[in-house]
Amino acid sequence: GAVVSQHPSRVICKSGTSVKIECRSLDFQATTMFWYRQFPKQSLMLMATSNEGSKATYEQGVEKDKFLINHASLTLSTLTVTSAHPEDSSFYICSFPPELYEQYFGPGTRLTVT
Amino acid sequence: SQQGEEDPQALSIQEGENATMNCSYKTSINNLQWYRQNSGRGLVHLILIRSNEREKHSGRLRVTLDTSKKSSSLLITASRAADTASYFCATSSGYSTLTFGKGTMLLVSP
Repeated sequence: GAVVSQHPSRVICKSGTSVKIECRSLDFQATTMFWYRQFPKQSLMLMATSNEGSKATYEQGVEKDKFLINHASLTLSTLTVTSAHPEDSSFYICSFPPELYEQYFGPGTRLTVT
Repeated sequence: SQQGEEDPQALSIQEGENATMNCSYKTSINNLQWYRQNSGRGLVHLILIRSNEREKHSGRLRVTLDTSKKSSSLLITASRAADTASYFCATSSGYSTLTFGKGTMLLVSP
């Protein structure tokens, strides 16, 4: 089946620095990708929808200037957390929808901001 | 805002027992999906049930959907220790976007 990879799996950074998370589809191409954030023992919250070749669509309350999304190709999307702060520490998960109603999720990236 | 609300929030059972988790939602949906997440890992798609379906089976999984009550249940039969994980329902209203519930943490003890 389809495989989605994320890199890095874990990252620790200092407050004020920026962190880039990569999400790759290994088996298929997709014009749309989703980025989610999950705080400990909570559910996934959709942050933004990434569209290849155009600007991402952000959910209400998500700062587009803080969470930069670049859908560079049909198999790669990146999320950059700019000027990270401890409250940005979370589990970030991407997903590709191979079909309209199905999503393949990446393994997630654990971000810790100290 | 959260669409799905699962209950219970946590469930602890013995191996061999059945585990039932429930999910309620608020708006009209096109389909409802159940996902599994092991601690600190990504999500694995378990099963999808469309709004015009009432019941669906996949191996030891049985999902029901009651659109009149806006609720769904996930039954795992003959549970195993390896079933220990968090289970989330997610609803889709006609687009690719999924809205997740808060999840049920299932602990299956040997």
